[in-house]
Amino acid sequence: QVQLVESGGGVVQPGRSLRLSCAASGFTFSAYAMHWVRQAPGKGLEWVALTSDDGRLSNHLDSLQGRFTISRDNAKKTLFLQMNSLRAEDTAVYYCARDLATTGGFGELAFWGQGTLVAVSS
Amino acid sequence: DIQMTQSPSSLSASVGDRVTIACRASQTIDSYVNWYQQKPGKAPKLLIYATSTLQSGVPSRFSGSESGTEFTLTISSLQPEDCAIYYCQQSYSSPYTFGQGTKLEIK
Repeated sequence: QVQLVESGGGVVQPGRSLRLSCAASGFTFSAYAMHWVRQAPGKGLEWVALTSDDGRLSNHLDSLQGRFTISRDNAKKTLFLQMNSLRAEDTAVYYCARDLATTGGFGELAFWGQGTLVAVSS
Repeated sequence: DIQMTQSPSSLSASVGDRVTIACRASQTIDSYVNWYQQKPGKAPKLLIYATSTLQSGVPSRFSGSESGTEFTLTISSLQPEDCAIYYCQQSYSSPYTFGQGTKLEIK
């Protein structure tokens, strides 16, 4: 069965960096686009970033102003989110998610990890 | 960016009731709307994609429809386990924006 397991969250000071990982299993990782979605405490869902199946295409939320970078290692079946210059407003649970299908467009988020909490605080 | 506006923000209904949640897109998005259910402390779960296609394993009491730029999630007969927050999302173009959520409670 499809499994996505995030790790790398924790408490970090403003201005510091953090790298999240998402280990995938139960499907052909290299065939699917992958996403990061975050949820601030008590708030709604916010899409963060997308990487295509081969990693050649990526897209990020404009408001992140280039601070976050999505990437993947298909050989290791792992998705990453490099987060730099962290701010208090980046505090959230970060979920990785897999697209529904290998073809067609992006954004139908069929499988989700359990999330990892990032808390930015001094 | 495409804005997705959900209504109502919360509602309370009884077991067996028919429940409808609406979502309006700020521009034409064809049928690229998806619906998710999120229970407390859990990851979201995809219920419906492409406006009206039921994800595998989702009960048939859930359905989706559209009229222009307005999209609707309907629960035909509310069950106790449907207590959750529901989100719409557009997958027409990046950023793949979500609605603000509708909190559904059981009376």
